[in-house]
Order: sequence, then C-alpha cells, then structure tokens
Amino acid sequence: GNSVTQMEGPVTLSEEAFLTINCTYTATGYPSLFWYVQYPGEGLQLLLKATKADDKGSNKGFEATYRKETTSFHLEKGSVQVSDSAVYFCALSDRAAGNKLTFGGGTRVLVKP
Amino acid sequence: NAGVTQTPKFRVLKTGQSMTLLCAQDMNHEYMYWYRQDPGMGLRLIHYSVGEGTTAKGEVPDGYNVSRLKKQNFLLGLESAAPSQTSVYFCASSYSWGSGSGYEQYFGPGTRLTVT
Repeated sequence: GNSVTQMEGPVTLSEEAFLTINCTYTATGYPSLFWYVQYPGEGLQLLLKATKADDKGSNKGFEATYRKETTSFHLEKGSVQVSDSAVYFCALSDRAAGNKLTFGGGTRVLVKP
Repeated sequence: NAGVTQTPKFRVLKTGQSMTLLCAQDMNHEYMYWYRQDPGMGLRLIHYSVGEGTTAKGEVPDGYNVSRLKKQNFLLGLESAAPSQTSVYFCASSYSWGSGSGYEQYFGPGTRLTVT
C-alpha cells in the first residue's frame, strides 16, 4: 500500500534560518505529491504540489522537487519567518481511488524571533 | 464563496450517544472526504465519496457511517460514540481526476469532538 514518512518534530529555528523537512514515500503507480500546512486552530491548506517526476512545486518561498529515483519530496525554505510556525504535512494522492490522500505524520515547526 | 464549511465546531458527547457532523461545499466538487486527526498520526481517511449517492470506506471506517444525498453535502454519523473517537474531524472536497480544474483537496476548519 501507499505510505508517507516525514521527519518528526518539533523543529525549532530562529528567524531567517534555512528550513528543510524530509519526506519520502512508497506508492504503486505514479502518485502526485503535496505539502499541506496547518496553522494553529485551522484546517489544512495546500502549500504546493507536483504531479510528475522532476516537477518543482513552489509557493510563499517554499519549494519541493518530486524525485522519483529517491522517492522523496523534501520541503525547503531559505529564510523562515515567525509566521511560518505551523504543522507541515507531506501527502500523496492515489488517482486510481478517488484521489485519496495518504498523509505523513506531520512536522511541527516553531520559528523564534 | 465559503469553500468547505463544517458544523458544529465543537461537541462533547457521552459514551453511547449519537451525533451527525455536517460538511458542505459550494465549489461543485465531485469528491468529498472525512478524515480524523490524532496527535502524531497525521490525518486518516474515514470514508469518502466520488459522487452524489456513492460512498466508500477509507482507512478507519469502523464506528462511522456516511451519506451523500446531495452533491454539496457529506454527513458523518457516529451511532454510539466511544472515547476512542475523541479526535478532530476534517472534511475535504476535490474535483474529480482529469477534470482539468485541479484535483487538490480543500479542507474545512474542523470539528473538535470529545467523548467522555
């Protein structure tokens, strides 16, 4: 079956530091990959996505590249802000079954001033 | 355009009580989903629907039932609540695959349920 593994948190950083959150996946077929972000007390919001190998998704200074050879989709941001404090979820979509999402366990990121 | 809305936002139940959570979307999405979120476990799919009148089981369906009588609504029912169902419940919706309009899921704000 499909599965997503991401690094456990919490990750604590200072403002303007570089952020990397590792994500690897196991899937049959050719999934699409997503990063969702959950701010405190809110639902999940799509941060970025990639639909095929070597695609790079980007949004709000965050980037992730779909690496089929290493089955990875690591999230990066060059200079984090306090407002980036949130829980980040890596996920893959199974197009063969109603676009079901399989989520990683989430990584909590705390950015300190 | 309200997106995905959920009611209620909070609820406390006693063991054995029943309740229904309502999800509504105004984006004309074909697909709808119910997830539960528990600490350290990410989100797990309970049930989903690929169209009006259809439902299917997800990863953790036991103890829940769903109905999709109208395209815009997806109801999640707990017939006899148990403390293990204490969780945050999220509804989501998406276009069908290949619709050309995108297929990412859009999430509601969640319902925090406590079963005592």
